[in-house]
Amino acid sequence: DTGVSQDPRHKITKRGQNVTFRCDPISEHNRLYWYRQTLGQGPEFLTYFQNEAQLEKSRLLSDRFSAERPKGSFSTLEIQRTEQGDSAMYLCASSFRFDSSYEQYFGPGTRLTVT
Amino acid sequence: SQQGEEDPQALSIQEGENATMNCSYKTSINNLQWYRQNSGRGLVHLILIRSNEREKHSGRLRVTLDTSKKSSSLLITASRAADTASYFCATASDMRFGAGTRLTVKP
Repeated sequence: DTGVSQDPRHKITKRGQNVTFRCDPISEHNRLYWYRQTLGQGPEFLTYFQNEAQLEKSRLLSDRFSAERPKGSFSTLEIQRTEQGDSAMYLCASSFRFDSSYEQYFGPGTRLTVT
Repeated sequence: SQQGEEDPQALSIQEGENATMNCSYKTSINNLQWYRQNSGRGLVHLILIRSNEREKHSGRLRVTLDTSKKSSSLLITASRAADTASYFCATASDMRFGAGTRLTVKP
């Protein structure tokens, strides 16, 4: 296992279009997280799953954003009717509970540009 | 809201010097983690310190935790140009990140 992978690495889309990103976590990790990061800022939490259950979703996340993890393995993040403000790096991370701690392993991210 | 808040926002030092950055958080924690992010790349986990620990070392990294002040510090000794990156803290309970400290190490 080579770590968390994300696809695509870059996405350019026109305003109003829908986009979907995929994240493949490390296989034995039961938690999966999505973050959004803009230039000069830290990662902003969006949502996380434990197995297939979505346990928390940021209140900052509009209804245009939806995430799934149907079989508790890979996850998808969909943004509907994209806006220019959605342009950012979308990061995925996975973790496994060990000794009451969750150390996150991050993927390389998907850079979204909305024109 | 962001849980971890790093200070300073930016730090510039010469190679070989030590770099210290701080993190403050708001609620009770089980542990706190530090991450590094090189320009244009993903985050890499550096070190985790548990709430019952006061200090932890990993190579050239030294982390302290003061739960009474809800603060942590990361010390990088004998810095190298390759340490140039942004450093973030995050509380493991909710994994919220601050804006980070941007460290520049000049050769």
